Amino acid sequence: KQEVTQIPAALSVPEGENLVLNCSFTDSAIYNLQWFRQDPGKGLTSLLLIQSSQREQTSGRLNASLDKSSGRSTLYIAASQPGDSATYLCAVTYGAGSYQLTFGKGTKLSVIP
Amino acid sequence: EPEVTQTPSHQVTQMGQEVILRCVPISNHLYFYWYRQILGQKVEFLVSFYNNEISEKSEIFDDQFSVERPDGSNFTLKIRSTKLEDSAMYFCASSPTGTVAYNEQFFGPGTRLTVL
Repeated sequence: KQEVTQIPAALSVPEGENLVLNCSFTDSAIYNLQWFRQDPGKGLTSLLLIQSSQREQTSGRLNASLDKSSGRSTLYIAASQPGDSATYLCAVTYGAGSYQLTFGKGTKLSVIP
Repeated sequence: EPEVTQTPSHQVTQMGQEVILRCVPISNHLYFYWYRQILGQKVEFLVSFYNNEISEKSEIFDDQFSVERPDGSNFTLKIRSTKLEDSAMYFCASSPTGTVAYNEQFFGPGTRLTVL
């Protein structure tokens, strides 16, 4: 069974700090990896999609990297703001013809003003 | 910006009752999904739907569950006889393409189902 792990489960940083969130997956044969943001009691907002052939993707202050061989992805957030406080989830798609996402449990980020 | 919408936002039902959760996917998307998240747990895949039929389903998606696209815009999840353990947030998602590698999924705000 494929597993996605996110460490740490929670992270608290002062405003303005750069930070890295980690995601690891057990099977390197992924097709893509997607990072989401989830606010309390809300839906999931897609942040970035990295295809298996890519090494990184950038959107504004966010940069996601992918290392398939080591089964790891990182989400880098530059110059963090209180509005970045949320739970960040990573999810992967495995297998030819399979579109289902397998999620990690997430990292709850708190950015302190 | 187009978005996935879901109704109702919160549904309370008695155990054994049938519920239908509704979703309107993004209009030009081809793939539709249901996921659920039990409080404090991971988001779990239930089912995917393409070309008017189920393309994948998980072990959770047993005979109590069904999906339907009754018209050109709605996508529904029916739970025939709800159990206490069906209490969860149910998310609908849609994606535009047929190529797995490019398949970015967009999620709705969710329906919180409470079974009493």
